[in-house]
Amino acid sequence: DIQMTQSPSTLSASVGDRVTITCRASQGVSTWLAWYQQKPGKAPTLLIFEASKLESGVPSRFSGSGSGTQFTLTISSLQPDDFATYYCQQYHSFSLTFGGGTKVEIK
Amino acid sequence: EVHLVETGGGLVQPGGSLSLSCAASGFTFSNNAMSWVRQASGKGPEWVSAITGTSSRTFYADSVKGRFTISRDNLKNTVTLQMTNLRAEDTAVYYCAKVSSSGYYHMDVWGKGTTVIVSS
Repeated sequence: DIQMTQSPSTLSASVGDRVTITCRASQGVSTWLAWYQQKPGKAPTLLIFEASKLESGVPSRFSGSGSGTQFTLTISSLQPDDFATYYCQQYHSFSLTFGGGTKVEIK
Repeated sequence: EVHLVETGGGLVQPGGSLSLSCAASGFTFSNNAMSWVRQASGKGPEWVSAITGTSSRTFYADSVKGRFTISRDNLKNTVTLQMTNLRAEDTAVYYCAKVSSSGYYHMDVWGKGTTVIVSS
């Protein structure tokens, strides 16, 4: 299985900050990578697919980049609603695998 | 609006069985693959199983292969996860998720989840 490693595991930031989360795949997944946001007690919601394509309805402050084994999720200006946990997921091959998550906390 | 509602969770003893169901609405169900993803308390999501729109192919995580079976009924717009020989490590919230209409396996809509607890 392809292992997905996210860093950092926790990130403390303030409203208005630019935030970057990294996801590394144990082998190349091309651009078959998605990013999800999850808030406590809720299901994940899709933010980004195919590494850089913004899901409909997702604010443009979210962006994704990368290919192969290195990916980033960037929030250009952190908003109060963005404090949550973020997961990457590869869908290059089965088994589908998720990263361990990055919790974005209020500084 | 796309809507997914999971049912069937509960408390079951180790070695027992449970069947989860997901009722879908708001989209052409047979056009989309469907997936189950679980999440243990305090952990990240773990993909469990997926099924194509026509049921021609099914996929399983190694951790559940041989114990879980995914199926769907395109007339009733439901997808089912039959779980047998349950273990403590199967305890989690189980989410039903719609796979993107592109056919690529990212999940663009998720249900609220149903909780499975495996304990004596």
